[in-house]
Amino acid sequence: SQQGEEDPQALSIQEGENATMNCSYKTSINNLQWYRQNSGRGLVHLILIRSNEREKHSGRLRVTLDTSKKSSSLLITASRAADTASYFCATASSFNAGGTSYGKLTFGQGTILTVHP
Amino acid sequence: DGGITQSPKYLFRKEGQNVTLSCEQNLNHDAMYWYRQDPGQGLRLIYYSQIVNDFQKGDIAEGYSVSREKKESFPLTVTSAQKNPTAFYLCASLGRPGELFFGEGSRLTVL
Repeated sequence: SQQGEEDPQALSIQEGENATMNCSYKTSINNLQWYRQNSGRGLVHLILIRSNEREKHSGRLRVTLDTSKKSSSLLITASRAADTASYFCATASSFNAGGTSYGKLTFGQGTILTVHP
Repeated sequence: DGGITQSPKYLFRKEGQNVTLSCEQNLNHDAMYWYRQDPGQGLRLIYYSQIVNDFQKGDIAEGYSVSREKKESFPLTVTSAQKNPTAFYLCASLGRPGELFFGEGSRLTVL
């Protein structure tokens, strides 16, 4: 089952503009993460925000988390053509089974960002 | 350099054949994961392993099998029971503080 749902599915902007992507989820989480994927490549971790945090910054990235609304947003400021990629949110949860604690990351369907030069 | 290595990058399979995708990591991570990616559907969890000799089914485990005999290795076998195996397969390991490190993926095509 897909935990995270992302919006919009696709976003097209001009270089220099800001890009905002949103993620909603359904169950309680330990943290929420954002990943980037260039076409045909593996995913690369961008930023992690814990469930007790509301906002986090990393370079041109700003992530917010609203646990009451079960939603998060990723803002990329002053976008560049090199930011063109798919962006995924992933929610982290944990559970115990047979005395072992397991961690699990569930991904959304992603937002395809295109930044035009 | 430390990382996740997946092989082969491209693989073609005839219907009815089993194929095994390799995933090796030298990051000394305990937990490893296999995801399947189809266009427009994001990543779906196939299997995951918290420690050696232990693994759990994910959301779409039917038609797949795994083993975890060594900490560094987590191979995925796509069996003939998997009805629609054509996809992009991604292996990952879990580092601190809970972020995944991904390989470059293996693209499987059924002929």
